[in-house]
Amino acid sequence: AQSVTQLDSQVPVFEEAPVELRCNYSSSVSVYLFWYVQYPNQGLQLLLKYLSGSTLVKGINGFEAEFNKSQTSFHLRKPSVHISDTAEYFCAVSAGFQKLVFGTGTRLLVSP
Amino acid sequence: DTAVSQTPKYLVTQMGNDKSIKCEQNLGHDTMYWYKQDSKKFLKIMFSYNNKELIINETVPNRFSPKSPDKAHLNLHINSLELGDSAVYFCASSQGTDSGNTIYFGEGSWLTVV
Repeated sequence: AQSVTQLDSQVPVFEEAPVELRCNYSSSVSVYLFWYVQYPNQGLQLLLKYLSGSTLVKGINGFEAEFNKSQTSFHLRKPSVHISDTAEYFCAVSAGFQKLVFGTGTRLLVSP
Repeated sequence: DTAVSQTPKYLVTQMGNDKSIKCEQNLGHDTMYWYKQDSKKFLKIMFSYNNKELIINETVPNRFSPKSPDKAHLNLHINSLELGDSAVYFCASSQGTDSGNTIYFGEGSWLTVV
């Protein structure tokens, strides 16, 4: 069965610093991986997804993620964060038939 | 224009009551979902419908009954509400059932059972 582990429940960072949010997955089939962002009191918005091809995936708002099959990881990165990036970030793996299995989320806290 | 809209956004109700949450999508998608987010922010799929037919039912208590009158709507009715039903319920949609398709989420319905 597919599963996702987000190793950090909270990541505090200063504005304009780089950030990496970690995600490891477990899957017995072909992997489709996703990162979603949830701003306070809002729904989830897709940041980026990996289906196949290049292991470096670029998304919206300057985020990117790298698929690493040998380490079963899909870490999310941004070279310079803004206050507005403060949100909850969810990694997810597709478990077939469009069933997304989510990690427990990482709260990114950006301070001035 | 909201792509996936759900109502109500906030709902406070007493134990034992019956309530419904409505969802509509204007994206022309043929697959719709209900996800539940608990107090620890954990998200889990409840149901999935494709062309009005149920394709995923994740062992949800049968007090929860989804209904899809057409491809653009998926409503969630909950009978005999319990304290543990307090959560945020997200409606979502996608085009088709291919695992790589993007799922678009609504803004959530905050249900509090007292």
